[in-house]
Amino acid sequence: QSVVTQPPSASGTPGQRVTISCSGSSSNIGSNFVYWYQQVPGSAPKLLIYRNDQRPSGVPDRFSGSKSGTSVSLAISGLRSEDEADYYCAAWDDSLSGSVFGGGTKLTVL
Amino acid sequence: EVQLLESGGGLVQPGGSLRLSCAASGFIFSSFALTWVRQAPGKGLEWVSSISGSDNNTYYADSVKGRFIISRDNSKNTLYLQMNSLRVEDTAVYYCAKLGHLGPRGGVDVWGHGTTVTVPS
Repeated sequence: QSVVTQPPSASGTPGQRVTISCSGSSSNIGSNFVYWYQQVPGSAPKLLIYRNDQRPSGVPDRFSGSKSGTSVSLAISGLRSEDEADYYCAAWDDSLSGSVFGGGTKLTVL
Repeated sequence: EVQLLESGGGLVQPGGSLRLSCAASGFIFSSFALTWVRQAPGKGLEWVSSISGSDNNTYYADSVKGRFIISRDNSKNTLYLQMNSLRVEDTAVYYCAKLGHLGPRGGVDVWGHGTTVTVPS
């Protein structure tokens, strides 16, 4: 059981906006930056959002991140079929002196 | 272009040892912290261990502490993971990854393609 929790699944139709949440505690999300990764099955993960809400170059602006207290959210607008993937949040945990990943959310584009 | 190429994975019996390597290129190796993240079959990502850039501070997940050793050779631009006393539950794809400017407390900005370790029951 991860110390950072995500819903196991999410879904939406093309063009829709979907949100994936990630909940932690004061020792991880509450006091450190959060990162989001996208993993297409069979491939390595890819950085999607860094430092809570920053997009690396090459990531479409359809992807956005936000943080409030000990929770963060990843929003995907204008959903596309190629967005179907697993999404993970991650943060450093001061109590564990290590990184923690959420359990992952499988996004299905209907 | 930053590249990370893992090697050393394979099949090993419970209780055995294996050393993973990760050859890096495209960035100033000694300036950045590095990490190993694993993914068991059909499961999510699990952080394993991190090492800082130049002062070699190391960090381990409780699940591998005392069994795995992370190290780096800045002269060879290579990261290592020595895995001892392997267990069935260590079976996973092991990703080598580069951490960003915040060091071990930051997140991964580049991932390798992974190498598979199998410990059969």
